Amino acid sequence: GQNIDQPTEMTATEGAIVQINCTYQTSGFNGLFWYQQHAGEAPTFLSYNVLDGLEEKGRFSSFLSRSKGYSYLLLKELQMKDSASYLCAVRDGDYKLSFGAGTTVTVRA
Amino acid sequence: IAGITQAPTSQILAAGRRMTLRCTQDMRHNAMYWYRQDLGLGLRLIHYSNTAGTTGKGEVPDGYSVSRANTDDFPLTLASAVPSQTSVYFCASSAAGGRQETQYFGPGTRLLVL
Repeated sequence: GQNIDQPTEMTATEGAIVQINCTYQTSGFNGLFWYQQHAGEAPTFLSYNVLDGLEEKGRFSSFLSRSKGYSYLLLKELQMKDSASYLCAVRDGDYKLSFGAGTTVTVRA
Repeated sequence: IAGITQAPTSQILAAGRRMTLRCTQDMRHNAMYWYRQDLGLGLRLIHYSNTAGTTGKGEVPDGYSVSRANTDDFPLTLASAVPSQTSVYFCASSAAGGRQETQYFGPGTRLLVL
C-alpha cells in the first residue's frame, strides 16, 4: 500500500506564512499534487510537481524532493479564506492517486 | 459550464437497500474515478475507469460496483448498503487516466446508512 503523512492541524495568523509538509512512500512515482478543500466542498487543484524543486503560483508554492520522498506546500500572506484542509496526493507507478488524510489550516485574525 | 455533477446531494438509506450514485461530466474526459472520504482517513479510491467500456478496482472496492457505458456517465452502485458505507462520495475525472493529468472533483454525495 501507499503511505502518505502530513500533519493533522496547523494554525496561523492572517498575513503570516505556513508550511505544510508531506512525506510519502509509494510504489513508483508519477507526480505529487496538492489540493485545497473547504469544509463541505469538493477538493480543488492547487499545484503539481513531478521534478525536484519549487513551483510558485502566486501566494502558493510547492516543493518536491523525490530522493527524500518529501514535499511541502507554502502559503504566504495568509488570508481568512485560506482556512481549509490541504490534501497531499501522490500518483504511483500505476498512475493512481493516493491521498494523505489532509491538514486542516485555521487562519486567525 | 457544469463540469462534474453528482446526484443525489445527500441521502439517508436503510441498511440492505440498493443505491446508485450518479456522476456525469461534460468535459469529454476519458478517465473517471470514485472516491470515498472519511474523517481521518482521507480520500480512498473505490473504482476507476480509464476509458468508456473499461473499469478497474481501487483500494476499497468491496460492496461497490461501477459501469462505464459511455464517456460522460460513471454510476456507482451499492448492492446492499451497510452502515460502514456511510461516507462522503466524490466522483472525479481527468483527461487521460494513464498520464500525468489533473483530476477534477464533483461536489460530492453525502450518504448515511442506518
